[in-house]
Amino acid sequence: DTAVSQTPKYLVTQMGNDKSIKCEQNLGHDTMYWYKQDSKKFLKIMFSYNNKELIINETVPNRFSPKSPDKAHLNLHINSLELGDSAVYFCASSQVLGELFFGEGSRLTVL
Amino acid sequence: AQSVTQLGSHVSVSEGALVLLRCNYSSSVPPYLFWYVQYPNQGLQLLLKYTSAATLVKGINGFEAEFKKSETSFHLTKPSAHMSDAAEYFCAVSEGVGGGADGLTFGKGTHLIIQP
Repeated sequence: DTAVSQTPKYLVTQMGNDKSIKCEQNLGHDTMYWYKQDSKKFLKIMFSYNNKELIINETVPNRFSPKSPDKAHLNLHINSLELGDSAVYFCASSQVLGELFFGEGSRLTVL
Repeated sequence: AQSVTQLGSHVSVSEGALVLLRCNYSSSVPPYLFWYVQYPNQGLQLLLKYTSAATLVKGINGFEAEFKKSETSFHLTKPSAHMSDAAEYFCAVSEGVGGGADGLTFGKGTHLIIQP
């Protein structure tokens, strides 16, 4: 069973469209995150949720909206996609005393 | 604020040679430090972590790292490189225990190339 799973793994879409990425963890962790990895492999935190409560909201355009229906799920919805949104988006989870466990990533390509 | 600097965006070593990947950190409190590895088209996998216990930390796949407070360093080493070690390596720092809800701050990564 995959610990942190993301869907879809690949998204290819046109500018201006809206897309969502779903994430689920079966580790029983309280905290979940979204990270963005750009074309140079740089990883930057976007959001973190602890027990469904938003903790971190980095400087991210408000076109990005996370949603956590329960502590095992954290989804990311992106409105009005732009070329610069092309990246790999990683979901991760952790317990307070543990390291981050990452999903396989969702590669978004905006044309 | 915490930060991580990885010296060398690319490191090339011969198979069987010593691997040394450098990481220096900046933190206002005693840090927690991590090394992750990313293979092509995959997520990040934890290699090892330092959480204020022993300063020499052993990880998976024969890797180890030494925490040196005086040098603010946490370099990653492996005595003998294997072709399967070719990947992207990330050093990360947290000022909370294991990251908490603040997550980790990552370095820019070092691409390790293994020459046959």
